[in-house]
Amino acid sequence: EVQLVESGGGLVQPGGSLRLSCAASGFTFSSYWMHWVRQVPGKGLVWVSSISGDGSRTRYVDSVKGRFTISRDTAKNTLYLQVDSLRVEDTALYYCARSLYDSGTYYPCDSWGQGTLVTVSS
Amino acid sequence: DIVMTQSPDSLAVSLGERATINCKSSQSVLYRSNNKNYLAWYQQKPGQPPKLLIHWASARESGVPDRFSGSGSGTDFTLTISSLQAEDVAVYYCLQYYNNPWTFGQGTKVEIK
Repeated sequence: EVQLVESGGGLVQPGGSLRLSCAASGFTFSSYWMHWVRQVPGKGLVWVSSISGDGSRTRYVDSVKGRFTISRDTAKNTLYLQVDSLRVEDTALYYCARSLYDSGTYYPCDSWGQGTLVTVSS
Repeated sequence: DIVMTQSPDSLAVSLGERATINCKSSQSVLYRSNNKNYLAWYQQKPGQPPKLLIHWASARESGVPDRFSGSGSGTDFTLTISSLQAEDVAVYYCLQYYNNPWTFGQGTKVEIK
């Protein structure tokens, strides 16, 4: 069974940092792109960042470029998101999700974790 | 960035009736080399993460009831629930995965009339 379990969220002051983690199990971690998607409670979904299976390629939405860093540790089957210089508008539930990339074809995210809540407030 | 616009923002449908949700992209998400539309539909129930229903605009995921269907190509897409059930009450999102950044529609809330 595919499982994605996020952790690391919490309350942080503006300008602060957190490291979000996503522990993956039940599938071959290195075969999948991994993503972070966030959602302000009661609002819509926003794709934040993604990383290739081998970690060589990363993508970010413009609003987090230079502040967030995505990475992965294949030995630990864990995805990370280092979030720095946090702003009030970064407050959201952060989901990790996986997607397949096969023979040059991208697929959408097909499994999601339950999310970890990041609250940025003074 | 590709802007995804869903309509309506919400709809109320009687049990057993049809629900139709539209999604329009600001540019085509049809990849001509493989003739696939990089458009997916998700269902999100309260307190739960999104669930993938459909990819390639019309390919239903394994285990998704056949009352859910997707159609459309290029820039205009539709998710249809042919006979609404109580368990279908949720917010539905379209997603384009044609270009980075991936972008979602704003969501459509489906309720029982």
